[in-house]
Amino acid sequence: EAQVTQNPRYLITVTGKKLTVTCSQNMNHEYMSWYRQDPGLGLRQIYYSMNVEVTDKGDVPEGYKVSRKEKRNFPLILESPSPNQTSLYFCASAPSGSSSYNEQFFGPGTRLTVL
Amino acid sequence: KNQVEQSPQSLIILEGKNCTLQCNYTVSPFSNLRWYKQDTGRGPVSLTIMTFSENTKSNGRYTATLDADTKQSSLHITASQLSDSASYICVVRGYGGATNKLIFGTGTLLAVQP
Repeated sequence: EAQVTQNPRYLITVTGKKLTVTCSQNMNHEYMSWYRQDPGLGLRQIYYSMNVEVTDKGDVPEGYKVSRKEKRNFPLILESPSPNQTSLYFCASAPSGSSSYNEQFFGPGTRLTVL
Repeated sequence: KNQVEQSPQSLIILEGKNCTLQCNYTVSPFSNLRWYKQDTGRGPVSLTIMTFSENTKSNGRYTATLDADTKQSSLHITASQLSDSASYICVVRGYGGATNKLIFGTGTLLAVQP
């Protein structure tokens, strides 16, 4: 089944404890992206990747890191999480980054709470 | 500033009734507009995409309209079902600039009651 998977789905952690949220897609998509979703706000882009080894900042990149060593994986790293990073996170992928009409396929989301 | 605004914020309707959700945007230049459905605890799923030249597009009981002159779109749901209960998100892509950059609305939360 074609899908985007994220792990973990739920995570409660404490301030300053490094964590990684994994994202994997099995559709051979070139483009991948991370978003966060907060109440009253639309999804906001954190980082995106046009292809392997190519990553770029989105609208809210502060406090996050990403890497794209393989086409299928795009992990999101929080080196020192803070309570304002408590949010619902979505990973998404699309066939390519060069077409304006490509649909983005979203993962199931990761609910992160930072105490 | 490029923005996407949706109304109403939330809506409750009875099963079998119709409803219309609104989306106004200021994104310019405009490339396309998508409506996504997001079930509780799930990621958004695309319902339909509309480009500048399209006025209406249907996907089953969902019909989207677009007026590119007034920068307005609507999503009409016919004969609603309990499974239509979800958040509906309007997403607009501008033309040019960073590819694949999307502007997301905050969504309309629809509850269909029996």
